[in-house]
Amino acid sequence: EVQLVESGGGLVQPGGSLKLSCAASGFAFSGSTMHWVRQASGKGLEWVGRIRNRANTHATAYAASLEGRFTISRDDSQNTAYLQMNSLKIEDTAVYYCTSGNTIASDSWGQGTLVTVSS
Amino acid sequence: NFMLTQPHSVSESPGKTVTISCTRSSGSIASNYVQWYQQRPGSSPTIVIYEDKQRPSGVPDRFSGSIDSSSNSASLTISGLKTEDEADYYCQSYDNNIFWVFGGGTKLTVL
Repeated sequence: EVQLVESGGGLVQPGGSLKLSCAASGFAFSGSTMHWVRQASGKGLEWVGRIRNRANTHATAYAASLEGRFTISRDDSQNTAYLQMNSLKIEDTAVYYCTSGNTIASDSWGQGTLVTVSS
Repeated sequence: NFMLTQPHSVSESPGKTVTISCTRSSGSIASNYVQWYQQRPGSSPTIVIYEDKQRPSGVPDRFSGSIDSSSNSASLTISGLKTEDEADYYCQSYDNNIFWVFGGGTKLTVL
């Protein structure tokens, strides 16, 4: 069974940093592209970015709106993907999902972790 | 980047058929595959259609996808509506084979 479990969410002050983790199991993690998608309360889905597999040099891409504040990484030996978020803003408050798949689509999603940016 | 526009909400009765549209603002809808995700209240999204019209295993054949170049849009059609189909539905495509774009989502009410 495919499982994606996000962790690391919580309350952080504006300007602060947070690192989310996504632990994967039940599929060939090292061969998959991992995406992060966020959803503010009552709002739609917003793509954050993705990291490709080793065969594609772990290439990353990010939504332009993030202005270089977020970084995605992965540790294939631990079957884990990460989202480092810096210079957090109030508008970054959302549930953050990790998803697995390829560059076109995601076939599995985690349960999400809530990030709240507030003073 | 282009935008994907969906109706905010649709409603239909059980047993009927409903179609949700997803219109691409620029560039051809046929140039990049469209996916559809279902998000039930309080749950994570799940994929119901990929590559315009392909159905993942486990998704009922009541769900179908298509694209229409004349209207530059993709559509998700759900036939034989059930109350369990009540959810938010999002279309998704990508730009330059890199950047994902989501539609704003459509709330389906089955009443």
